[in-house]
Amino acid sequence: NAGVMQNPRHLVRRRGQEARLRCSPMKGHSHVYWYRQLPEEGLKFMVYLQKENIIDESGMPKERFSAEFPKEGPSILRIQQVVRGDSAAYFCASSPRAQKNTEVGAFFGQGTRLTVV
Amino acid sequence: TQLLEQSPQFLSIQEGENLTVYCNSSSVFSSLQWYRQEPGEGPVLLVTVVTGGEVKKLKRLTFQFGDARKDSSLHITAAQPGDTGLYLCAGGGGGSSNTGKLIFGQGTTLQVKP
Repeated sequence: NAGVMQNPRHLVRRRGQEARLRCSPMKGHSHVYWYRQLPEEGLKFMVYLQKENIIDESGMPKERFSAEFPKEGPSILRIQQVVRGDSAAYFCASSPRAQKNTEVGAFFGQGTRLTVV
Repeated sequence: TQLLEQSPQFLSIQEGENLTVYCNSSSVFSSLQWYRQEPGEGPVLLVTVVTGGEVKKLKRLTFQFGDARKDSSLHITAAQPGDTGLYLCAGGGGGSSNTGKLIFGQGTTLQVKP
């Protein structure tokens, strides 16, 4: 049973370009969470999605960031017109249901490390 | 706003020593989880505690959830170089609107020298 798969592992973008980060949840999981981690810091919640729905985007910056989880295919975190401050590691976690995430813990992907030059 | 404060932020010790990492909040959490993260990798779950006062042991690691479910500690006995890494605590919300979102502490970077 494959774990949470994220790609790419590393992504370099120039200022002003777009970054697309992909997350394929564990098989049978329909809930996806995105977190951002700055160097030597903990993870900050960004957004929680179910298939075709955004449930909680309270951690998403108001501009340039968007996320989706279509009926088919991976979840996508999209950052438009990237700036240097967007450089960070972005992690995805999945769960079969929301409450399960806190009952037994979350299973994270290996992350995408975005570098904006 | 729920916050988790971890202490210490950095810890460098010799192999064989014992250590304790603390995770504190003014908020109540329905569960508290501990993760370990290696450089360049995602966090890996170590344990989840859900009951106030609960103690769980994982080999040389002992985890405790405070009676009021606002704090937790991680104690490592006879630390080894393989324990080196970033340790993160994370709180899960409770109540009828539990969305599964986790609140993370800022982490404790542990270095165990041989």
